[in-house]
Amino acid sequence: EVQLVESGGGLVKSGRSLRLSCTTSGFTFGDYAMSWFRQAPGKGLEWVGFIRSRAYRGATQYAASVRGRFTISGDDSNSIAYLQMDSLKTEDTGLYYCTRARRDTSGYYYSDVWGQGTLVTVSS
Amino acid sequence: SYVVTQSPSVSVAPGQTARITCGGNDIGIKSVHWYQQKSGQAPVLVVYDDSDRPSGIPERFSGSNSGNTATLTINRVEAGDEADYFCQVWHSNRDHLEVVFGGVTKLTVL
Repeated sequence: EVQLVESGGGLVKSGRSLRLSCTTSGFTFGDYAMSWFRQAPGKGLEWVGFIRSRAYRGATQYAASVRGRFTISGDDSNSIAYLQMDSLKTEDTGLYYCTRARRDTSGYYYSDVWGQGTLVTVSS
Repeated sequence: SYVVTQSPSVSVAPGQTARITCGGNDIGIKSVHWYQQKSGQAPVLVVYDDSDRPSGIPERFSGSNSGNTATLTINRVEAGDEADYFCQVWHSNRDHLEVVFGGVTKLTVL
């Protein structure tokens, strides 16, 4: 069974850093891209970024709202994806989801498996 | 940037057909993916690449995409289909990729 479990969320002050982990099982981690999304309380989904698979050398892309502050990485040996969040802002508050991403017919991605999310709260 | 719009709410009676639309300029040339999110739960993929269904998703869920509108159709709606639905596309500008969501459509089963 494919599983994704996020961890590392919590309460942090504005300007500080936090690292989220996504521990995966049930599939060959290095063969897939991984995407991160977030959802502010009572709001819709927002894409954070992705890391491509090993075949694409783990290249990354980020949403404009987090570019330069957030970094996604992957540990193929332990099947874990990470989201390093620096210079956090109050507007980064939300539930952060890790997803497995598969290529769509346009060459981009859709998320076929989602974790349950980890809550990040950034206070001023 | 690319703008996608969804109607905020759709209400249908059990057994009827729900249609949730996602509008965008020439969205028909993009791949559209649909997610269902029930209250307090993580999203679930229900349709990908406009009209393909992941394993485990009932055949009652179907998708289409043409022109300026993509549509998620749910036939024989059940109470358990009540949820928020999101459509997702990708947009590429000169330097970066971005995911665009159309907002959210809340499906209410009367």
